Amino acid sequence: QLQLQESGPGLVKPSETLSLTCSVSGGSISRSSYYWAWIRQPPRKGLEWIGDIYDSGSTYYNPSLKSRITISVDTSNNRFSLNLYSVTAADTAVYYCAIRDGYNSGRFDPWGQGTLVTVSS
Amino acid sequence: QSVLTQPPSVSGAPRQRVTISCSGSSSNIENNAVNWYQQVPGKAPKLLIYYDDLLPSGVSDRFSGSKSGTSGSLAISGLQPEDEAEYYCAAWDDSLNGPVFGGGTKLTVL
Repeated sequence: QLQLQESGPGLVKPSETLSLTCSVSGGSISRSSYYWAWIRQPPRKGLEWIGDIYDSGSTYYNPSLKSRITISVDTSNNRFSLNLYSVTAADTAVYYCAIRDGYNSGRFDPWGQGTLVTVSS
Repeated sequence: QSVLTQPPSVSGAPRQRVTISCSGSSSNIENNAVNWYQQVPGKAPKLLIYYDDLLPSGVSDRFSGSKSGTSGSLAISGLQPEDEAEYYCAAWDDSLNGPVFGGGTKLTVL
């Protein structure tokens, strides 16, 4: 049973880069044909897909964020990461990592517990 | 403004049945599977229904899903206090070329 855990700073200054890592346990990230995904949820708002990475290389990004994000995989440490550049207060949210099970799928399971990132000076 | 439209809130008394709708279009729900998530406050979303009407292992059969045309629906029968939560639908969108979520529906058990 795969389990996911997000980690990273809880506070980021405006215009800087938000960097989060999702550690995967219970299986090898390189042996799984899954889409390793990031999703966020601003306070008191709904869910937004950020993007995901497949097969250790192919990336799929939300067009609204595409110019500011990079998702990568670290197979040696069994984790994947999100970098969100030039952040503003609008990027304040709980960030979740999750597994998406196929190219044209909206099925995410399991999810990490989430980590709150606040953008503030 | 979410791509998938859900009612902001629904309510029902214990033991009653409620339904939550998820309205989309031909670029998402009509041609792709609908999935449902339950989120209790302070917790991560949990997969409740996948591929329109399938239950993951461990999910109560009081929950059921269906789809017709450009709309999906989640039904909860025999309402219990612990069902009080936010519910989200999600589906792949062919125009966005990515998955999209509904705005969420808050279920209150009276």
